[in-house]
Amino acid sequence: DTAVSQTPKYLVTQMGNDKSIKCEQNLGHDTMYWYKQDSKKFLKIMFSYNNKELIINETVPNRFSPKSPDKAHLNLHINSLELGDSAVYFCASSQVPGPMNTEAFFGQGTRLTVV
Amino acid sequence: DAKTTQPNSMESNEEEPVHLPCNHSTISGTDYIHWYRQLPSQGPEYVIHGLTSNVNNRMASLAIAEDRKSSTLILHRATLRDAAVYYCILPNNAGNMLTFGGGTRLMVKP
Repeated sequence: DTAVSQTPKYLVTQMGNDKSIKCEQNLGHDTMYWYKQDSKKFLKIMFSYNNKELIINETVPNRFSPKSPDKAHLNLHINSLELGDSAVYFCASSQVPGPMNTEAFFGQGTRLTVV
Repeated sequence: DAKTTQPNSMESNEEEPVHLPCNHSTISGTDYIHWYRQLPSQGPEYVIHGLTSNVNNRMASLAIAEDRKSSTLILHRATLRDAAVYYCILPNNAGNMLTFGGGTRLMVKP
């Protein structure tokens, strides 16, 4: 069973479109995250949700809107896609609101290409 | 936020031990030291974490200096599958997220 699963794995879309990436975790964790890995391979946190409540928003443009229908899901919706949004997006989860002394589990990533 | 410094890359021979260093001179007394790795085309994967004492698990060992200003991840016998980017991470000041740096790209030669 996959612990953190993301769909789709690949997404190619045109500038200006709106797209969503879905994430689900079956670990019973309370906290979920979205990270972005750009072409230089740096991983940056975008959002963190704890029990469906937003706890971290790292100055991400308003075009990015996370939605957490329940604590097992954290979807990422992106409006008006731009070329600079091309990256690999990783979803993750951890047991506590902040992986201070526990591990975080990451999904396999969604490679978004905006053309 | 406390920062970490790691070499950009390291090479190892297969079946030999690998010592991956990390400096974190601004670490605070309650910061756990976390190590993750990212295999090619995959998401980051937890390796190990510790606070003060050396830690062992099935994947690796973590040796933490007495002053906690540095640590070393030890892979006891590197395999080709261990080729990855290894990240040494401290939590942010709020303790609620992992901030990834550049990591060390480990190359394993057969």
